[in-house]
Order: sequence, then structure tokens, then C-alpha cells
Amino acid sequence: GGIITQTPKFLIGQEGQKLTLKCQQNFNHDTMYWYRQDSGKGLRLIYYSITENDLQKGDLSEGYDASREKKSSFSLTVTSAQKNEMAVFLCASSVDRGPSGNTLYFGEGSRLIVV
Amino acid sequence: GQQVKQSSPSLTVQEGGISILNCDYENDMFDYFAWYKKYPDNSPTLLISVRSNVDKREDGRLTVFLNKSGKHFSLHITASQPEDTAVYLCAAGPQQGTGSKLSFGKGAKLTVSP
Repeated sequence: GGIITQTPKFLIGQEGQKLTLKCQQNFNHDTMYWYRQDSGKGLRLIYYSITENDLQKGDLSEGYDASREKKSSFSLTVTSAQKNEMAVFLCASSVDRGPSGNTLYFGEGSRLIVV
Repeated sequence: GQQVKQSSPSLTVQEGGISILNCDYENDMFDYFAWYKKYPDNSPTLLISVRSNVDKREDGRLTVFLNKSGKHFSLHITASQPEDTAVYLCAAGPQQGTGSKLSFGKGAKLTVSP
């Protein structure tokens, strides 16, 4: 088995601040994702990456940057934190081949709090 | 607009009954359909999935029905148990290969009462 680790679990920042969330996976999965979870809105894809140094925009990429520094890690930066961005951010990974290729494995989530 | 929709945000079922959760999607290119289960303060985990080459898949108490012409799929849970109480998220996307890029519904809270 493997695990996805998100740090920090809680990230508190001020309005306008640049804030970064980190994600590590030891599944050796090719693709990694960042989703945003808002109450009543489900999960919305921010960015994903199909391999090291690749970056693909999701539906909600404006106001965010991401970086796939190596296969096992994918970070997400909120470029200028706003109070309406308080949400839980979920990192996920998938192997993208074989019978279970589409399965997403999620981390425990990071809650962003903007004061 | 939202590509995957769960129209009923909540459902309550008696223990032993059948829980039916529904999902509609918009994109004709979607050919992978899944249900994820989420407990409070936990991450979603895959429950069951199906590809578009079948219209039904069973796994124990769980059955996914797929209606491609109607762009609709559903999850049936028979003999519902209190431990089935959770939020259920439907998801759909294109074939794997360049990132699964699943679109999720907003989720539906299922409560199974003893």
C-alpha cells in the first residue's frame, strides 16, 4: 500500500498573503491532482500533473500556481489569499494505466483559513 | 457549468432498506463512472466504478447502473446498514491516459437509521 501526505493540515494566513500547500505520495503514481472542497459545492479540480514538471489547468486554476518538483511531490500555491478561499484542499494521485487506472487516492486534506 | 450533478443532497433510509443515489452528467465523452464514499473529517475513497462498455456492475451490496443514452448513473445499496451513513460523491470522466481528470458531483448525504 501507499500513502498521500499533505502538509500542513491547517494553514492560517492573512489576506493577500502567498500560501503554499505540499503533497507527497509514495504510490509511485504518475498523475497528481489538487482539488478544492467547498461545503455544498463538491470537489473542483484546480491543477493536475501527469508527470514530473508537467502542469495542467483544471476548472478552478485562476488565483493558484502549482509545481510538480518530482514524481512524488506536488505543491499548490494560493497567490493572494482571500477570505472566500477558505476551504479544504485535497491532493490526490492516480496510476492512470491498468484496470484501476482512473482510481483517485486522496490525502487527508489541508484546511485553509484566511484572517 | 457543473458537468456532474447530484440533484438530491440528502437521503434517509431505514436499516435493511435499499438506498438509491442518482447522478446525471453532461459530457458525451465521459466513459468512466464512479462512486466515492466520504465519512466526516475523512477523505473520499473509491467505492465502486464502471466503464461505459457495461450498463451494470455489482459488488456485494452495491450495484451501479449506467444509462448512457440518458447520461445518468445510479448507486443502489441493498440491505442498508447504519455504517453506510456517509456522504456519497459521484464522479465521471474520460478514459484514462492523460490524467483521470474526474468531475465530481456535490455529494449526497445518506443517513441509514436503525
